[in-house]
Amino acid sequence: EADIYQTPRYLVIGTGKKITLECSQTMGHDKMYWYQQDPGMELHLIHYSYGVNSTEKGDLSSESTVSRIRTEHFPLTLESARPSHTSQYLCASSETGTGGQPQHFGDGTRLSIL
Amino acid sequence: GQQLNQSPQSMFIQEGEDVSMNCTSSSIFNTWLWYKQDPGEGPVLLIALYKAGELTSNGRLTAQFGITRKDSFLNISASIPSDVGIYFCAGQSSGTYKYIFGTGTRLKVLA
Repeated sequence: EADIYQTPRYLVIGTGKKITLECSQTMGHDKMYWYQQDPGMELHLIHYSYGVNSTEKGDLSSESTVSRIRTEHFPLTLESARPSHTSQYLCASSETGTGGQPQHFGDGTRLSIL
Repeated sequence: GQQLNQSPQSMFIQEGEDVSMNCTSSSIFNTWLWYKQDPGEGPVLLIALYKAGELTSNGRLTAQFGITRKDSFLNISASIPSDVGIYFCAGQSSGTYKYIFGTGTRLKVLA
């Protein structure tokens, strides 16, 4: 069972603010992912990391940035939040291994930009 | 790009009924996953499938990896109110650790 934690769970903040969404996992998983999901809709990959100092952009273009300085930590930053960034952001992690390793998700951060 | 279509998009069923949903792709996948997401929560893994033709159960849930490797199916038997939620499939191709997620099936159970 993967333990993956996201904070904050909810954030309402004004336009132009800098925001960092936190994601940590305690299972030592090498791979971590950020998805953006509008309510009740499909998940879109915006960033992923295969390990420390490795980050790649996902399939959906995003103005956010990520860093991976430690294995367990994969924060996402928005330098200047805009209303178009309002969405739910989900973090996930998976083990290294041959074959498809399932992704395990945190509970998400619901972000509202006023 | 790759796309996963889930069917049906939404469904209302009576408690006790069986439920079937499927996921189809234009591409071949090596792994299929099925998740359930409750409102305000992250997706929770239900079943993972790794081999064409594989049939795997998890309690009242049964999923199958299609033999063409382009589709997968999820069945829920004797549905109960807590089965309400959105069910997502996800597929992974060879040579990548990324998953493509389906469009979701929204299940509502009438008591």
